Amino acid sequence: AQKITQTQPGMFVQEKEAVTLDCTYDTSDPSYGLFWYKQPSSGEMIFLIYQGSYDQQNATEGRYSLNFQKARKSANLVISASQLGDSAMYFCAMRELGNTDKLIFGTGTRLQVFP
Amino acid sequence: DTAVSQTPKYLVTQMGNDKSIKCEQNLGHDTMYWYKQDSKKFLKIMFSYNNKELIINETVPNRFSPKSPDKAHLNLHINSLELGDSAVYFCASSHTSSDSANEQYFGPGTRLTVT
Repeated sequence: AQKITQTQPGMFVQEKEAVTLDCTYDTSDPSYGLFWYKQPSSGEMIFLIYQGSYDQQNATEGRYSLNFQKARKSANLVISASQLGDSAMYFCAMRELGNTDKLIFGTGTRLQVFP
Repeated sequence: DTAVSQTPKYLVTQMGNDKSIKCEQNLGHDTMYWYKQDSKKFLKIMFSYNNKELIINETVPNRFSPKSPDKAHLNLHINSLELGDSAVYFCASSHTSSDSANEQYFGPGTRLTVT
């Protein structure tokens, strides 16, 4: 059974600093995708970044990068130069290649950025 | 030019009532989903439809019945509402492909409160 684990219920970071949000996963499928979503207090789910299991390089999207360590089954999100607007819940999710297309989500990490 | 829209945004109702939540996407996607986010922020897939065909039904009670009149719409009807149905319900959509990279786009969510 596939599983996503986010061990940090809450994280604090000072503005302009970098922060790493942890995510580990468990799957027996060799083909899968890993996603990070942001959920601000307004409630919407915002897609941030994607990493495929066969991707050779770590994904980057602006200030977001994914530290993908396949052997350790971890896909940590790194946010550089934190901004106050980064305060939100962050969810790691996984999709196995196949026809179900469903995302399995972790329990989330609440990030608070302080001035 | 909203991508995935849901109505209503808030829904307060009494136990035993029947209610519906509507979802529409204008992204040209062929797969749509319903997720439930509980009070602890945990997100779990409920259903997915591909081209109006039910693909995933994650052991959701029979009181929940999705309906997809066309591939741009996926509605959720809930009969005999119970207190435990209180949650935020998210609709999402994506392309279907063999590539695990296709991210899901989420609607703004519908906060259902059963009293």
